Amino acid sequence: GAGVSQSPRYKVAKRGQDVALRCDPISGHVSLFWYQQALGQGPEFLTYFQNEAQLDKSGLPSDRFFAERPEGSVSTLKIQRTQQEDSAVYLCASSLPGNLYGYTFGSGTRLTVV
Amino acid sequence: KNEVEQSPQNLTAQEGEFITINCSYSVGISALHWLQQHPGGGIVSLFMLSSGKKKHGRLIATINIQEKHSSLHITASHPRDSAVYICAVRLLRDTDKLIFGTGTRLQVFP
Repeated sequence: GAGVSQSPRYKVAKRGQDVALRCDPISGHVSLFWYQQALGQGPEFLTYFQNEAQLDKSGLPSDRFFAERPEGSVSTLKIQRTQQEDSAVYLCASSLPGNLYGYTFGSGTRLTVV
Repeated sequence: KNEVEQSPQNLTAQEGEFITINCSYSVGISALHWLQQHPGGGIVSLFMLSSGKKKHGRLIATINIQEKHSSLHITASHPRDSAVYICAVRLLRDTDKLIFGTGTRLQVFP
């Protein structure tokens, strides 16, 4: 596609519910990143894939967070047993190897846990 | 202490004013990015810098590697420039991930 596509755009979940957030990167972008942005804050790194390999997951806040990219294109960020503190915008970005031309960000998924 | 700090946090300006947003960082980097985020919208990449200066339209970005400092300038500001401007650095010692500043919220009034 022409840009990075994220779905859903908005998600309201009841506390304890599991959610799955999808990211469809630009075709040919092997690097894919997930960031979490709390209200009024800058984005914070969650995890990074190069093709299907998850090279860095140091930013995942707990074992309730899980990300996958099984075929090296679409990625899913899953949050199990959501808590109120998980409420944030989840941003996905993709880039070419070595980030030669910068990143392209999706519009994000705004998750609200009630 | 955050590894990337921006100032000011909030900035208001009248249309036509020259605007400067500053970014300081405390780590070794391979590149610095300036990004723009509109309310409810995604993030748009404005510049990627590793040295010197870049210009795109009314936007100018500079970086001083020795001083670990970058500035984003907007000339002849316009209300449509109102957005959050975020500085982010790519670490030397790490994967391609970015470390973000908290952003500068700019409002330009007509």
